[in-house]
This record gives sequence, C-alpha cells and structure tokens, in this order.
Amino acid sequence: KAGVTQTPRYLIKTRGQQVTLSCSPISGHRSVSWYQQTPGQGLQFLFEYFSETQRNKGNFPGRFSGRQFSNSRSEMNVSTLELGDSALYLCASSLVVGQDTEAFFGQGTRLTVV
Amino acid sequence: DQQVKQNSPSLSVQEGRISILNCDYTNSMFDYFLWYKKYPAEGPTFLISISSIKDKNEDGRFTVFLNKSAKHLSLHIVPSQPGDSAVYFCAASDGDDMRFGAGTRLTVKP
Repeated sequence: KAGVTQTPRYLIKTRGQQVTLSCSPISGHRSVSWYQQTPGQGLQFLFEYFSETQRNKGNFPGRFSGRQFSNSRSEMNVSTLELGDSALYLCASSLVVGQDTEAFFGQGTRLTVV
Repeated sequence: DQQVKQNSPSLSVQEGRISILNCDYTNSMFDYFLWYKKYPAEGPTFLISISSIKDKNEDGRFTVFLNKSAKHLSLHIVPSQPGDSAVYFCAASDGDDMRFGAGTRLTVKP
C-alpha cells in the first residue's frame, strides 16, 4: 500500500511569508501528527489530528496551525515565517489517535526561510 | 519506500530483564542514527543517538549498537523498568533527510 505522502518535498520562502504543507496519510489511517525536525532542537511535536479534530498540541506559537479534511488528508500552515522556522517538517499517520501503535512517517518537507 | 524498518511492532519483557529493539536500514548514505521514545498522546522524545564512526554508544541503562556492514542497529535497555513501556522509533539521517521506522511498542511487565 502507498505510504505517507508529503508535498512539496522542498520549499524556499522569505521571511514574513506564509506556507502550507500537505500530508496524505496511509489509506485507512485517521490520525495525522506533525513534527518539526531541526539540528538544534531535534524532533518536536506540533499537533495531532484525528477525524478532523485537533486532539493534541505541542508548544508552538499560534503562527503554526493545521487542519484535517474528511478524507484524513492534513495541511499545516505557518504564517509570518521566521528564519528559525527553517526545518524538516514531518508528518506521521496511524490508525488511531494517541499513536500508541505503529506510526508511519512521510519523507518530510524541507522548508528553508531566507 | 521504507528505508528504515522496525520489523517487530511489539515486544513484551519482564521487569529487570533486557529489552532489545531492532532496526534495519537500506540506505548506505545514512551516517547518523537516533532512537526516540514516545508515550501515548505525546510527541516522541529523543533518547540516544550514534554516529556511523562508532559501533556502540551508552547512556545509563540505554545502549545503542550499530552494525554498518549489516545495516542494522539495536537499542538495549538493561534493566528494563515498567516506566520504559512506550513506543520506540529508530531514525536514520544522511545529513539532509531523516527517515523513521514505524515503531516498536515495548511493554515491560512488573
């Protein structure tokens, strides 16, 4: 079966702009989580969606938002981009919320803010 | 394509015994490997890492072993404690991309 698909793979934006990243989970998976990966901070949890509802949220400013559609696809939006937002953004899908089970990660979107 | 694989979705061990979690990778360009631990409803937290120039890294009860020729790494937890019960993800990086395994759920029984 197809894996988790994240688009785009690479993105370059300037400070102040906004960006939308997309994640299509594995077919049948209803939970999607988003993470930010940076060399300095490691992997940090952004938020988790299940059945179009945000179930858990990490410690990120309100500039980071997301949503999930009825087909379980999820989008993440970052507004007013800052240089420090440059990172690899990963999403992971799993069957149920809480991820107390297997989670499958996408290849990530590499965002560079200049 | 799954470049990082954790073939055991779950593992159950008795408290005090050793837990061994395994991870295999296919991309020989990976040169940095990490293990993350994840509790339900929380994001993963970094546990331990190893560079490809080493074959072993130890941190308290946690030891990661890397076998580059076999493209295999393992995490050993000795002794296992009930608080270690969580999902463990291995990850591999080539300096640009990072790929994750699907996770292994470890249950440590008292």
